[in-house]
Amino acid sequence: QQQVKQSPQSLIVQKGGISIINCAYENTAFDYFPWYQQFPGKGPALLIAIRPDVSEKKEGRFTISFNKSAKQFSLHIMDSQPGDSATYFCAARGNFGNEKLTFGTGTRLTIIP
Amino acid sequence: DADVTQTPRNRITKTGKRIMLECSQTKGHDRMYWYRQDPGLGLRLIYYSFDVKDINKGEISDGYSVSRQAQAKFSLSLESAIPNQTALYFCATSDFSGSSYNEQFFGPGTRLTVL
Repeated sequence: QQQVKQSPQSLIVQKGGISIINCAYENTAFDYFPWYQQFPGKGPALLIAIRPDVSEKKEGRFTISFNKSAKQFSLHIMDSQPGDSATYFCAARGNFGNEKLTFGTGTRLTIIP
Repeated sequence: DADVTQTPRNRITKTGKRIMLECSQTKGHDRMYWYRQDPGLGLRLIYYSFDVKDINKGEISDGYSVSRQAQAKFSLSLESAIPNQTALYFCATSDFSGSSYNEQFFGPGTRLTVL
């Protein structure tokens, strides 16, 4: 049972464009929603994270938009660059006492010149 | 030196063999995790440990076992490997989070092939 659904599976965006990756969750007990970035041959690394009482969080070119009522959140990459080409995973953390991460299935992003 | 190391980085083994994957960390974190990554399935939690005396099953623990030898070491064993355990395996560590979010730090991964 996939508790965090991620789409699309792959995405090709032109350099300078906006990349958008979407995730939806079912469990309302999740209390943090991080995004991880993974380059080939490397382990995932935290990119940005948001709490459910915040509708948007921005760090540089990366923004998380969060819609608590719809149980959806998305990652927006503005001015996408070839160096952003990677696999992106959304995740959700269980609340206090159950702090495991449940990951989405991943999106392979390719930025073309 | 890397904060989270995994050995071996690549391993090819045969069906029925016992294999151990090792993870060491120098971050001083109490919490350690083992995940497997499969194309189209993302990262799935196999086992996790919140301290040396604490071991918990994740969502896909069947066919796996773990040992937490010390705060810094967490090993994953496949007692009798089977081909559908062919995957990329990651170890991760984190500090206690409480009300904030403390990220999980991932090792470089072990690519395991079971023939």
